[in-house]
Amino acid sequence: ELKVEQNPLFLSMQEGKNYTIYCNYSTTSDRLYWYRQDPGKSLESLFVLLSNGAVKQEGRLMASLDTKARLSTLHITAAVHDLSATYFCAVDSNYQLIWGAGTKLIIKP
Amino acid sequence: NAGVTQTPKFRILKIGQSMTLQCTQDMNHNYMYWYRQDPGMGLKLIYYSVGAGITDKGEVPNGYNVSRSTTEDFPLRLELAAPSQTSVYFCASSYPLPGLRSSQYFGPGTRLLVL
Repeated sequence: ELKVEQNPLFLSMQEGKNYTIYCNYSTTSDRLYWYRQDPGKSLESLFVLLSNGAVKQEGRLMASLDTKARLSTLHITAAVHDLSATYFCAVDSNYQLIWGAGTKLIIKP
Repeated sequence: NAGVTQTPKFRILKIGQSMTLQCTQDMNHNYMYWYRQDPGMGLKLIYYSVGAGITDKGEVPNGYNVSRSTTEDFPLRLELAAPSQTSVYFCASSYPLPGLRSSQYFGPGTRLLVL
């Protein structure tokens, strides 16, 4: 059974700091997705990582994928309050996405 | 394009009642999905469809049914509502890329309360 684990599950940080969210998964897959969810809202796609070594960047967010380690990271650079949200990773497995529990990120001014 | 639309936005059901959650997408996507999200949790797949006439169970299908008669619509049916079905329900769709699938596009969600 494919399992996806995110850590930390909760992160409170100051503006301007850097931090990394980790996503580990338990079986072979070379397709991983990152999503963002604001409170009470739907999910928004951030990144699609399709191969080992893939790196994608959008503004202050950068995602990477290491399929050999079964690990993806979402790195936040110089955090700003607008990045406060819950971030989910999901791994593709036979037409389904298996989701992590999410990391709730709070960025304080 | 409206993307993925869901109705209703919010509904209160009594135990034992039935209802259908509607989902429509106008992007001509082959794949459609129904998820539930309990408070503070991730998403759990209920059912999915890879095209009109084809559906399959996800992780938590008990208590639900689906149909897919057209590419655009993927309704979710609750036959006998139970308090455990109180949740937020999201519909999503995606399109096929060579050998894999795109990101999923999500609807705004339906908040369901079963009392």
